[in-house]
Amino acid sequence: GDSVTQMQGQVTLSEDDFLFINCTYSTTWYPTLFWYVQYPGEGPQLLLKVTTANNKGISRGFEATYDKRTTSFHLQKASVQESDSAVYYCVLGDWGGSALGRLHFGAGTQLIVIP
Amino acid sequence: GGIITQTPKFLIGQEGQKLTLKCQQNFNHDTMYWYRQDSGKGLRLIYYSITENDLQKGDLSEGYDASREKKSSFSLTVTSAQKNEMAVFLCASSIARGNQNTLYFGAGTRLSVL
Repeated sequence: GDSVTQMQGQVTLSEDDFLFINCTYSTTWYPTLFWYVQYPGEGPQLLLKVTTANNKGISRGFEATYDKRTTSFHLQKASVQESDSAVYYCVLGDWGGSALGRLHFGAGTQLIVIP
Repeated sequence: GGIITQTPKFLIGQEGQKLTLKCQQNFNHDTMYWYRQDSGKGLRLIYYSITENDLQKGDLSEGYDASREKKSSFSLTVTSAQKNEMAVFLCASSIARGNQNTLYFGAGTRLSVL
């Protein structure tokens, strides 16, 4: 079945470090891929979205590229700030044979940025 | 812009108790969702509704009921709370059902069962 794998449960960095959060997915359809971010005390919110039509998404200094060959959708940021501390979810939207596909959430990666 | 309001923010219940969580949205979105969030497990879909009075089961519907009596509100009932259960329940809405639509989430209801 369709699934998303985030192996990193927690990432701890210092300010200005490079961020890389790993995400791989599995689907037989044409996916839409998302990164959602959840700040403490809030619900998740969309960070960026990529479809098969545009394989790279960029938002607020974060970027993610959809790689069909390796079925990966890693999240990167060149220089993190303390305010980026949050939980990041990789999400797969499968086509499912219709326009009414399902969303599959990864387990989430807790990012802690030390000032 | 709009907002999703979940009440209560914190809910403490007793084992076996029936508990109801409420969600209101003013986006005028058609589709609403209830997710359960457990640490290290991501978000799992409990119920969703594509329009008023519609209900669709998600992956985790056993032990829950839902109600969508009007477009702007969606409630979730835990039919029998389990001892020591702790989880966050997140309500969300989207303009329509579909794999490309953005979800807008509320801040969550944190449940603890004694």
